[in-house]
Parts: sequence; C-alpha cells; structure tokens
Amino acid sequence: QEQLMQSGAEVKKPGASVRLSCTISGFSFTSYPLHWMRQAPGQRPEWVGLIVPANGETGYSRSLQGRATITRDTPATTAFLELRGLTSEDTAIYFCARWFGAADLWGPGTPVIVSS
Amino acid sequence: EIVLTQSPGTLSLSPGERATLSCRASQSVGKNYIAWYQQKPGQAPRLLIHTASSRATGIPDRFSGSGSGTDFTLTIARLEPEDVAVYYCQQFITPPYSFGGGTRVEIK
Repeated sequence: QEQLMQSGAEVKKPGASVRLSCTISGFSFTSYPLHWMRQAPGQRPEWVGLIVPANGETGYSRSLQGRATITRDTPATTAFLELRGLTSEDTAIYFCARWFGAADLWGPGTPVIVSS
Repeated sequence: EIVLTQSPGTLSLSPGERATLSCRASQSVGKNYIAWYQQKPGQAPRLLIHTASSRATGIPDRFSGSGSGTDFTLTIARLEPEDVAVYYCQQFITPPYSFGGGTRVEIK
C-alpha cells in the first residue's frame, strides 16, 4: 500500500527550530519528488518546498526567507523538513506529498504549534 | 508570485445539481499547469484533477476540469452529499506553487 507517514505533533517556543519527517512506503523513494506544504488554521495550503530524492535537489518558497531546509535519508526512505527561527506565524499543519503530475498522495500532516 | 483567485467563496446547491467552480490566475499558467484538490475537515487535501483536465486515479467521472491560460473551471456534474468540502486549485508552472483561496461547497 502506497503511503506517507509523518512524525508526531510538535509544540515549540518562538525562536526554536523544528525537524519534521516524512517516511514513504509502497513505492520507490527515488522515483518521485516530494513536496512540503503547510496549512495554517482556516487558511489555504501554502507551498513550502520540494526535494528530488534521486539527486537531493531542493527548492524553497522565498516567503520562508531561508529558514527552511529539506533533506533526505534514502536508505530510510525518509525526507525531512527543518524550519528555524519559528514564530507564531509558523503554526500550521505541515504535509508532505508525493508529486506525480500534481500532489497525488499526501501524508496525514504534522501539527506544529509555536507558542510562548 | 502567481496569485490564484477562486470564486465563488461558497456554493450552496441541492443534491443532483451542477456545481461550477472558478479559478483565475494573475498570469498565464499555460495550457495545463493546474491541479484541483478536495479537502474535508481534519483531512489532507485529495487530488481530483491534474494537468487541468485529467482525473486522478479513483475519482468519479462526475468531476471534470477545463480551461487554459488564466481561467480554469472545476465542474461537479451531479452534486452528492459526500462532495461537501472545500475545493482548492494549485498552479505549478512557476514556484512558489501557490494555491487559491478555496471554494466551500455546501448541500442545501
């Protein structure tokens, strides 16, 4: 069964960093780009960035101002999103998704709450 | 950044009626760099349509997509109660791959 599994909810203080994981199963890890999106409460989804697991190439939304880094561990079939310098505006559910023509398979999401 | 504007904000229809959802881009996204997603409360978005008009695997044929350039449409031919959700369009011709603000579909 093709699926993406994501790490558990995180609660962080402003200024902290968070590292989220996305582990795939049921399909080839190196065959599809993986995208990260986030969705703040009651808002539209926002594209965060992507990684091409086959070669490690990445791309990011400029709105994150260089605070995001996406990496992968190919043997573990896992991609990671690290976000630094957290503020309350980073409070959202973070989704990873496989890209095949569009985001055709999504993980369940990881809630991240940033609060003092 | 390409801005996507969806209309209407909310659509309230009776079962069996036709729903027409619009997505307008601030600049051309080409012939088919648009996807449509359905999102129900507490769930991740679900892909309905990719490349503007191709249904994703397992999507009923009452869902269809059309358009090109700056104007795209998602049509639900015969609304069913399980179609209650928020629908988003997304462009992927130029990063950041932005989403529209969504159309909420309700059943009367």
